[in-house]
Parts: sequence; C-alpha cells; structure tokens
Amino acid sequence: GAGVSQSPSNKVTEKGKDVELRCDPISGHTALYWYRQSLGQGLEFLIYFQGNSAPDKSGLPSDRFSAERTGGSVSTLTIQRTQQEDSAVYLCASSSPGQGYYGYTFGSGTRLTVV
Amino acid sequence: QQQVKQSPQSLIVQKGGISIINCAYENTAFDYFPWYQQFPGKGPALLIAIRPDVSEKKEGRFTISFNKSAKQFSLHIMDSQPGDSATYFCAASYSSASKIIFGSGTRLSIRP
Repeated sequence: GAGVSQSPSNKVTEKGKDVELRCDPISGHTALYWYRQSLGQGLEFLIYFQGNSAPDKSGLPSDRFSAERTGGSVSTLTIQRTQQEDSAVYLCASSSPGQGYYGYTFGSGTRLTVV
Repeated sequence: QQQVKQSPQSLIVQKGGISIINCAYENTAFDYFPWYQQFPGKGPALLIAIRPDVSEKKEGRFTISFNKSAKQFSLHIMDSQPGDSATYFCAASYSSASKIIFGSGTRLSIRP
C-alpha cells in the first residue's frame, strides 16, 4: 500500500480484556516497529522486527504484551488482561532495508482506551 | 544512556516569529539526528535530519543547528505559520542499529 495502515483507529475495551492491534507496513519494507505514545509523553519503543531475525523485544513493558509478524508483512500487537495504564496511542512504523536508523514511516496509530 | 532530552514541553509563538526547540543527548555513538512533526490524529512524519559532522542544515523555513561538543541540537522554524502548529519530536539513532530514540516532544502553537 501507499502508507502504513493500522486498525482499528480507535478501540475502547474493558479492564481485564485482551486486545489485538493490527499493522500493515509499506510493501517492501522489511523492518517494522511498534511504539507507544501516552498522553503528553514521547514515543516509547516497544518492539522491532527485521526480516526473519529474532525480534528486539526490549521495550515491551510486561509479559502481558506480545507481538508477532506473519510472512514478513502484517504485524499484530496483543495486550492481555488490559489495565488502565495501557491507555495510549499505539503507533506502528516501517522502514526499507538498512534505512531504519534514517527514518521511519508511521501509521496514524490506534488509540486504545481501557475503561 | 540512550536518552534524548527535549525542551520546552510546550511553546506558543506569534505568527511570523521564530520557534526554537532544543534537545540534548548523552550517547556519543549517535550519528544521526532526525526531527519528526506530528499533527493531531496522525503519526509522526520525518521533517528534517542532520549528521554530527555538519553544524547546520536548512530546508526552507526549517533549520537544525548542531553543537557536537555540547551534545546539543535545536530546531528553528523561521517565519512561523499557523500551519506549523504541531508536536515536534527530536530523535537520535546510530547506523549500527535500526532503533530511533525519541525525545518527549514539544507542542507548538502558532498564534495568528
């Protein structure tokens, strides 16, 4: 596609429920990133996928968070047993091979509200 | 320490004025310093970037000034316009890794 696509754009869930957030990166971009943006905060790195390499999960805040990337394309971020502090905008980005340090293309994000 | 510190948190500038956002870093391994612009409801978008071997880079009304010895860099927006109202993030990365470290962001408002 022309850009990074994320769905849903908004998600309201009850505390304790599981949620799945989806990201479709730009075709041909081998690197995919998930960031979290809390109200008034910066961009917090969560996880990074590069081709078939093991993902860099160093930013995942707890074991309730997981992500996978199927077929080197679509990625799903799963949050289990959601808590109110998980409320944030979850941003996905992708980059072309070897250009990740140079610049990402971000999607518009999924705004998650846990009530 | 892989931290990038950004200030101010928010900034109000009159139309036509100069907007200045400052950032500082600790890790001297960083070799690339991009700035991102984010409008409400959108993801951040790459605006302008600089490497540490350059002291200044200008693209239109946007200029990055870089002080390697002080480990500081700043974004200047000349002749600021209401359409520049957005959140700006400074960032740092190094070519041996593909992860970008972002500052905390500056919410810029340009008053007409």
